[in-house]
Amino acid sequence: GQQLNQSPQSMFIQEGEDVSMNCTSSSIFNTWLWYKQDPGEGPVLLIALYKAGELTSNGRLTAQFGITRKDSFLNISASIPSDVGIYFCAGSPASGTYKYIFGTGTRLKVLA
Amino acid sequence: ETGVTQTPRHLVMGMTNKKSLKCEQHLGHNAMYWYKQSAKKPLELMFVYSLEERVENNSVPSRFSPECPNSSHLFLHLHTLQPEDSALYLCASSQDNRGNYGYTFGSGTRLTVV
Repeated sequence: GQQLNQSPQSMFIQEGEDVSMNCTSSSIFNTWLWYKQDPGEGPVLLIALYKAGELTSNGRLTAQFGITRKDSFLNISASIPSDVGIYFCAGSPASGTYKYIFGTGTRLKVLA
Repeated sequence: ETGVTQTPRHLVMGMTNKKSLKCEQHLGHNAMYWYKQSAKKPLELMFVYSLEERVENNSVPSRFSPECPNSSHLFLHLHTLQPEDSALYLCASSQDNRGNYGYTFGSGTRLTVV
C-alpha cells in the first residue's frame, strides 16, 4: 500500500533554533496536512495545503506543498519549549480516495 | 463543550470483558472516524461513517464493532480483545467524508488489554 516517509524520526534542538522536517511519497497527493500531537492528546491540525507549490504559514510554522506533489515540508522558526511533541504529516492521495495516509511522525524535543 | 470529546480517557480491560468507547463531536460535522495509534506506527484507519452510514471498514477484526446512532455520536464496542489491541484509539470528525479541511481529533482513549 501507499506509504509516507517522514523524516527525521526524532530530533533534539536548542531553544531558538529553526527546525525542518519533511514527508515524501511515491505517489501524487492532492492535499497535505500537518498535525502536532502533545503527550496524552489527539493530533491538532496545524496547516493544510491544497495546491502544488503552495506555501502557508501559521505563526512560526511554515509548510510547503512540493511542486512534484509527492512531498511536503514543515519548518518551525525560533523554536520554544512548548514546540515539543510529535509532528505528523498526512496526505490525501490523488487516486480519488478520501482516505488520508499518515506519516510515522517526527518527535521533537527542545532543549532550553 | 466544543470539538471532539472521547470517553473514557483510559481503559484497562481483560480479554474476556466487553466495553465501549464513546465519541461525541460538537462541530456539526457529517463524517466520523475511528483510528488506532500504536507506538512507532502510522495512524491506522479503522472505520469511517458518513451521515451515520458506514462507508469504510478497513479490514478490522470483528472483535471491534462500531456504532453511529447519529451524526454527533460514535461508539466502538470491544469484546474478547487481545493484548496486541492495546493502543490509543482516536476518534475524528470532518465536515464531509472527503476530509478536505482535515480532521478534528479527540484526545483519545488509552486502552490496555490485560
